[in-house]
Amino acid sequence: DTAVSQTPKYLVTQMGNDKSIKCEQNLGHDTMYWYKQDSKKFLKIMFSYNNKELIINETVPNRFSPKSPDKAHLNLHINSLELGDSAVYFCASSQRVTLTGSTTSYGYTFGSGTRLTVV
Amino acid sequence: GQNIDQPTEMTATEGAIVQINCTYQTSGFNGLFWYQQHAGEAPTFLSYNVLDGLEEKGRFSSFLSRSKGYSYLLLKELQMKDSASYLCAVRGYSGAGSYQLTFGKGTKLSVIP
Repeated sequence: DTAVSQTPKYLVTQMGNDKSIKCEQNLGHDTMYWYKQDSKKFLKIMFSYNNKELIINETVPNRFSPKSPDKAHLNLHINSLELGDSAVYFCASSQRVTLTGSTTSYGYTFGSGTRLTVV
Repeated sequence: GQNIDQPTEMTATEGAIVQINCTYQTSGFNGLFWYQQHAGEAPTFLSYNVLDGLEEKGRFSSFLSRSKGYSYLLLKELQMKDSASYLCAVRGYSGAGSYQLTFGKGTKLSVIP
């Protein structure tokens, strides 16, 4: 029944490793997102992705890459992990609001988060 | 770009009313959201405003003034379980014909007996 599910919930790994976080949504939404929440609890957009385009926050290092096998999944792959990557990563999904679409209350539904600790 | 400002922390007494303010600057405004986030949990949707005025939903109300770039979340009859962070989020134009939700840094509300 979980609308947006992400795994693992906790991830502890060493610097320099490569890791992936998986996300799946069963809401039929066409857009998915990755957010990073740092130690000060600031929730910052990393990527938004639908089946047509990827929008990347320019501050995200290219060590981070989203991978989407289909519209219900958006995984986050991280290369060469650094200490500063330690944070909680949230996946979210929504219906895409476009310039030609009507204004709607398309809020975001969030996954439960993955707490990444790099040691 | 987008800029969202809200107080870092607030404290209020159980049973009281508290108002959490949010000011924003954005291009292509397309709605303002309030989310609640308990420690260690995901943000959950509380309210949505796109037109000026007050939206009421039980003990929670949210107000929007687009001309002033201002919103507030009003919580009535505070309960201990309302202790959480409250995130103001603005949907603005992100380019490429679509919109994106940007969050403020959140207001940590502590409800005391």
